[in-house]
Amino acid sequence: AAGVIQSPRHLIKEKRETATLKCYPIPRHDTVYWYQQGPGQDPQFLISFYEKMQSDKGSIPDRFSAQQFSDYHSELNMSSLELGDSALYFCASSPGGGGSEKLFFGSGTQLSVL
Amino acid sequence: AQKITQTQPGMFVQEKEAVTLDCTYDTSDPSYGLFWYKQPSSGEMIFLIYQGSYDQQNATEGRYSLNFQKARKSANLVISASQLGDSAMYFCAMREFNAGNNRKLIWGLGTSLAVNP
Repeated sequence: AAGVIQSPRHLIKEKRETATLKCYPIPRHDTVYWYQQGPGQDPQFLISFYEKMQSDKGSIPDRFSAQQFSDYHSELNMSSLELGDSALYFCASSPGGGGSEKLFFGSGTQLSVL
Repeated sequence: AQKITQTQPGMFVQEKEAVTLDCTYDTSDPSYGLFWYKQPSSGEMIFLIYQGSYDQQNATEGRYSLNFQKARKSANLVISASQLGDSAMYFCAMREFNAGNNRKLIWGLGTSLAVNP
């Protein structure tokens, strides 16, 4: 069965650079979530989209932006990168609608800011 | 206040034995869902099991079962017949369906499980 696909798997950037993370949800899943997980931390919710519209916003810095496209894939754009942005970034998708659905996570993008 | 509490930072279990990972939660929303995820050292987040607040029976998925005690607000994960591949970080998470931000998961800090041969 198809899973959530994230690219790239690993990304190395320098301070003040920009990065774009991509997420391809499971087919027919219309809701996408972005989470940030620092080393030894629990995942922190950043932002979510439902039917291409932002549905919830968490602790996403102003330097970050995200969108969901017509094919339901999503991109997380990160500018003016800081050392503290180094983390594992997860994308998850769900079928949407009621809240009982499970969130299926991608393998994550490991971002290292040097 | 912490909404999801996992009191065991680390646990050890002998291979083939059962282990219980604790999770307590705090919510005033009568409609909520509880999740357990596994995160091996490779980093991916793997869904294990789900329990809805109105579900009458405890959820089971293969070797995983959820000991749901609603009055105590606990949702402990039981792994039977532990395998070496069960060594991983385990996260308990909750969704509150009547909350304005009901699409996000609230996470515990995780329990690191090590299975000994």
